[in-house]
Amino acid sequence: EAGVTQFPSHSVIEKGQTVTLRCDPISGHDNLYWYRRVMGKEIKFLLHFVKESKQDESGMPNNRFLAERTGGTYSTLKVQPAELEDSGVYFCASSLSGPSYEQYFGPGTRLTVT
Amino acid sequence: SQQGEEDPQALSIQEGENATMNCSYKTSINNLQWYRQNSGRGLVHLILIRSNEREKHSGRLRVTLDTSKKSSSLLITASRAADTASYFCATISGAQKLVFGQGTRLTINP
Repeated sequence: EAGVTQFPSHSVIEKGQTVTLRCDPISGHDNLYWYRRVMGKEIKFLLHFVKESKQDESGMPNNRFLAERTGGTYSTLKVQPAELEDSGVYFCASSLSGPSYEQYFGPGTRLTVT
Repeated sequence: SQQGEEDPQALSIQEGENATMNCSYKTSINNLQWYRQNSGRGLVHLILIRSNEREKHSGRLRVTLDTSKKSSSLLITASRAADTASYFCATISGAQKLVFGQGTRLTINP
């Protein structure tokens, strides 16, 4: 069974540009999460999808970040326009429904904004 | 301040020794999970312990949970060089989002 995949693995963009990150969850997992780790800080929750609906987006830092999950399969996270403080590693995870199920993480996308 | 704070922040031991990492949190939880991250790679789920459990084992891993003290510990026995990684505890409360600590950087010296 394939795990959670993320694309690209690394992205370097200039301040003001746009970047779109993609996450493909494990097949059959209705729950999809985005997290990020900014340099030197803890991994922080961004948002949670249940199928195509946003269940919790309390961690989204501002309106420069837009997440979508059309059709309830893969998800994209767009940053527009990117700022220097957006640099970090963006992780995606998926799980079955319920808090007792483990979340399986992808390898992450390292975003560098210069 | 943050939930899921790990202690120590860094730990260096000899191969074959045991490694113990601690985690504290601040709110009531549904469960607590431990993850490992090898350098430059994704997070790997190690073990989940529910709030009504006190201890759990998985191979060389032993996790304890003390909800009265809001703390957990991860013990890795007979450490190996491949155990070198960062270890994170994460809690889940009402919502399904994980709240992570800053992690413990474990180095196993040959």
